[in-house]
This record gives sequence, C-alpha cells and structure tokens, in this order.
Amino acid sequence: GQQVMQIPQYQHVQEGEDFTTYCNSSTTLSNIQWYKQRPGGHPVFLIQLVKSGEVKKQKRLTFQFGEAKKNSSLHITATQTTDVGTYFCAGPRERDDKIIFGKGTRLHILP
Amino acid sequence: DAGVTQSPTHLIKTRGQQVTLRCSPKSGHDTVSWYQQALGQGPQFIFQYYEEEERQRGNFPDRFSGHQFPNYSSELNVNALLLGDSALYLCASSPGWGNYEQYFGPGTRLTVT
Repeated sequence: GQQVMQIPQYQHVQEGEDFTTYCNSSTTLSNIQWYKQRPGGHPVFLIQLVKSGEVKKQKRLTFQFGEAKKNSSLHITATQTTDVGTYFCAGPRERDDKIIFGKGTRLHILP
Repeated sequence: DAGVTQSPTHLIKTRGQQVTLRCSPKSGHDTVSWYQQALGQGPQFIFQYYEEEERQRGNFPDRFSGHQFPNYSSELNVNALLLGDSALYLCASSPGWGNYEQYFGPGTRLTVT
C-alpha cells in the first residue's frame, strides 16, 4: 500500500490566504518531486529536491525537503484561483529506487 | 516540441478481455514509466522502461506487461481484465535513467464492464 502520507487530504482556503501541505514517508527517499494535477488533467512536474534540508522557491511556492529525507512540505503564499488542484509528492525509495506517490492534497479556493 | 502523447484517450472493455495502451515520450526522453491512477488516489507505479528493458516494477500482477521500442515509445498490455482495472493509466517520460523529473501524458481512461 501507500507509504507516503499527505496532510491534509483536502483544504479549502479563502483566496489570498496561505496554504501548506505536508508529505511524510515511512521510508527514506533519495529525492522528492512535487506535482500539480488540475481537475480532469494529468500531473504536471513542479520541482525536484535532492539534498537533505533543501529549500527551493518558485514565485509564491516554497518547497522544503526534511533533514532525514522522509518528509517534505509545499507552502503557497497568497493563494489565487489558479492554484486550484491536487498537489502530489513523490520520490524513489532509497532502498530500491521504486517510485512512490502520496495520495495528494486537494486544494479548493473560495473566491 | 511535442509533449508526452498517449492513445487512445478513452477505452471500454469487457471483463476478461485484453487491452494495449500506447505512449510516445517527450522529445529527448528515453525513459518511460507507467502508472495507474484510481479516482481520488495518487498514481501507483506499474513499471519503468529504459533501453527497451523493464528496469523497475511496482506491485502489479503479471497480467500487466509492457514493451519499449527502439524509438523509446512504449506499450502497456493488460490481460484478463478485471473490473478493478478501471482507472486512468498515465505514461510519464524522463530524460535519462535515474532522472526522476517526470513529464506525464494526458492518460488513457480505461473502463472495464
């Protein structure tokens, strides 16, 4: 079964509010990727983090990879309606390189 | 520059039948992975192909098999279809073995009745 938990499963925020999703793996990951999937669409690659403790920013999005390489977070500042979608974390397990995905956090923006 | 393409977009099959799904990777990409995504779930890794060989496999039965061609395109075959095989099947390509930056195609929606 899934070994990557994402919290929360669903989040409704008012437009302009901040949003954070957390990704927790039961096993160490070699690296981690984040994807965004719009309703009815397919996952779109956002970013990859490789180093322990790494932090990367893309405009209003901030991504962090934990020191133990088992957890990660995505923070969106001042959400916009275009941020609607499901955000997935994924990565290869360090022990066998098999790629595992979280179940995703579905973000809904209230206008 | 064409992205990842998949065919067909939708497919309806009967339980027990066999199905073949096709994928062409993004230009310059030589590694192809297949995923099954059930409604409301994250993608589940089926297998990954590189240099025409299956390099990694997820927890899927032998009914799921694949192939990669010299032009890097790939096929996913599923035999003896079950109702539970109904899902969105996603193909993803990446620029090289060990590169986990994946680009997904639009998927094939398979319905088994």
